[in-house]
Amino acid sequence: GNSVTQMEGPVTLSEEAFLTINCTYTATGYPSLFWYVQYPGEGLQLLLKATKADDKGSNKGFEATYRKETTSFHLEKGSVQVSDSAVYFCALGSYGSARQLTFGSGTQLTVLP
Amino acid sequence: SAVISQKPSRDICQRGTSLTIQCQVDSQVTMMFWYRQQPGQSLTLIATANQGSEATYESGFVIDKFPISRPNLTFSTLTVSNMSPEDSSIYLCSVETETEAFFGQGTRLTVV
Repeated sequence: GNSVTQMEGPVTLSEEAFLTINCTYTATGYPSLFWYVQYPGEGLQLLLKATKADDKGSNKGFEATYRKETTSFHLEKGSVQVSDSAVYFCALGSYGSARQLTFGSGTQLTVLP
Repeated sequence: SAVISQKPSRDICQRGTSLTIQCQVDSQVTMMFWYRQQPGQSLTLIATANQGSEATYESGFVIDKFPISRPNLTFSTLTVSNMSPEDSSIYLCSVETETEAFFGQGTRLTVV
């Protein structure tokens, strides 16, 4: 079956530091990959996505590249802000879609001023 | 896109009681999904709710504990029955298009 392994947290960084949150997956076929963000007290919001190998998803300064050869979808941001403090979830959708999502365990990010 | 309104946003309940969570979507959707997010953990799918048929439950979840209604294409409810402290979680409803899943803001349930 499908699974997502995500870097454990919590992660604490200073403002303007570089961020990497690792995500690897196991899946059959050609899944779509997603990063969702959950700000304190809110529901999940889609941050970015990639639907096929070598695609790069990007949004709000965050990027992730769909690497089929390493089955990875690591989240990166060059300079984090305090407002980026949230929980980040890597997720996989079956059959190249957003259906039947499988989530990673989530990584709590805290950015200090 | 889809906008999902979920209520209540939070509640504190006595053990042995039941709570019904409502989920309203601003467009018609075939399937609606209910997830549980236990403290410090990821999301676990409880069930899939189709309009006009019984919900499909994932392993470890049963209808007697989590009855679901889906009276039309824009609305669903999840009831957490006979609650215990172990049911303290965030419960989220979700709808999916081919390219994206949308989530309600969640219901934070505390059972005391």
